[in-house]
Amino acid sequence: AQSVTQLGSHVSVSEGALVLLRCNYSSSVPPYLFWYVQYPNQGLQLLLKYTTGATLVKGINGFEAEFKKSETSFHLTKPSAHMSDAAEYFCAVSVRTGTASKLTFGTGTRLQVTL
Amino acid sequence: DAGITQSPRHKVTETGTPVTLRCHQTENHRYMYWYRQDPGHGLRLIHYSYGVKDTDKGEVSDGYSVSRSKTEDFLLTLESATSSQTSVYFCATTGTGGTYEQYFGPGTRLTVT
Repeated sequence: AQSVTQLGSHVSVSEGALVLLRCNYSSSVPPYLFWYVQYPNQGLQLLLKYTTGATLVKGINGFEAEFKKSETSFHLTKPSAHMSDAAEYFCAVSVRTGTASKLTFGTGTRLQVTL
Repeated sequence: DAGITQSPRHKVTETGTPVTLRCHQTENHRYMYWYRQDPGHGLRLIHYSYGVKDTDKGEVSDGYSVSRSKTEDFLLTLESATSSQTSVYFCATTGTGGTYEQYFGPGTRLTVT
């Protein structure tokens, strides 16, 4: 079975500072990995995904993540935080089992951006 | 945006009453999912569907049932609502492209009093 651990339920950064949100996963098979963002009172929006190939993936809004198999990590970064980045971020791993692919989510990290 | 709508968006109901939540998609996606979101738990899979009339349980299926009579609609029913089912419920879909990302609806906030 797969699982996802997000270190830090709350992260606070200053506007313009580096954003680093941590995600570690466990999976018995090669995983597909995702980051989603959720703004208040909204659904989840896909930020970026890793399936195969290049391990550094770029997403929307200037975010990127690097798949490191040896560390079983998929940390999310953004060089310079903006106030509009304040939201909750979820890391997820997908593995196909039986009849469908299923996502397993981490518990989320709430990002606060301060002036 | 996979064109997913959920209804109702908000509902307050009493313990013991039946409740049905509806998910409607316009993308002709084969797979549909119901999740609940609770603080400290992230999103947890309740049930999913891999085709019309084909459904299966997720990790937190007790107290819930689902039905899918048409590709575009996936219904989640709480037969007898309990306070522990107070949550935000999200529907998601995915096609058969093989990359497995899911597209989410806007959610339904359910309060059971």
